[in-house]
Amino acid sequence: GAVVSQHPSRVICKSGTSVKIECRSLDFQATTMFWYRQFPKQSLMLMATSNEGSKATYEQGVEKDKFLINHASLTLSTLTVTSAHPEDSSFYICSARTEGPGLTPYEQYFGPGTRLTVT
Amino acid sequence: GQNIDQPTEMTATEGAIVQINCTYQTSGFNGLFWYQQHAGEAPTFLSYNVLDGLEEKGRFSSFLSRSKGYSYLLLKELQMKDSASYLCAALDSNYQLIWGAGTKLIIKP
Repeated sequence: GAVVSQHPSRVICKSGTSVKIECRSLDFQATTMFWYRQFPKQSLMLMATSNEGSKATYEQGVEKDKFLINHASLTLSTLTVTSAHPEDSSFYICSARTEGPGLTPYEQYFGPGTRLTVT
Repeated sequence: GQNIDQPTEMTATEGAIVQINCTYQTSGFNGLFWYQQHAGEAPTFLSYNVLDGLEEKGRFSSFLSRSKGYSYLLLKELQMKDSASYLCAALDSNYQLIWGAGTKLIIKP
């Protein structure tokens, strides 16, 4: 249980174009979803937190107009990198959190990640 | 400010035991997580501690001391597949996870 999928797993795009990454909780409803980016040999950097039906909360230094997050339902969140540049190349990981009896409180279930390369 | 400290890299031998330490300073505290991350993959949950003491789960154990702001992950009978990064993360007063930079564990035969 508690499986999170992410699509695509890898994407290469040209500078100036936009890329959409989908994150889905497959067998549970996620109360909250998170978007992270990770540079090589570094830890996770939280970009934003989103709750279904409300605007995402962005971390300091993350441009909300560049990284558009839509949390349309309790099982789907999308991250759109707009006008991508080579410096946006990174590993983007989503996670989802849910609540319920028998679950570890506040545990985040991670998707497999998306490797974005901007040329 | 909030801070999580853990060693950058550790090396151990197959079959041995290794302890990865983590110290944390957060505004409020609601528990500590350990995750394992293999290169190029997403993190996977290992343990969660909110009370002081040792939690054992097979070859892996996790310890917490709230008064010292300290935790460790103990890995026994190391296997080559345990080569990965181990991430320590503390849950602050807003129930946000504050992540450490991760400890890369290298297992040698």
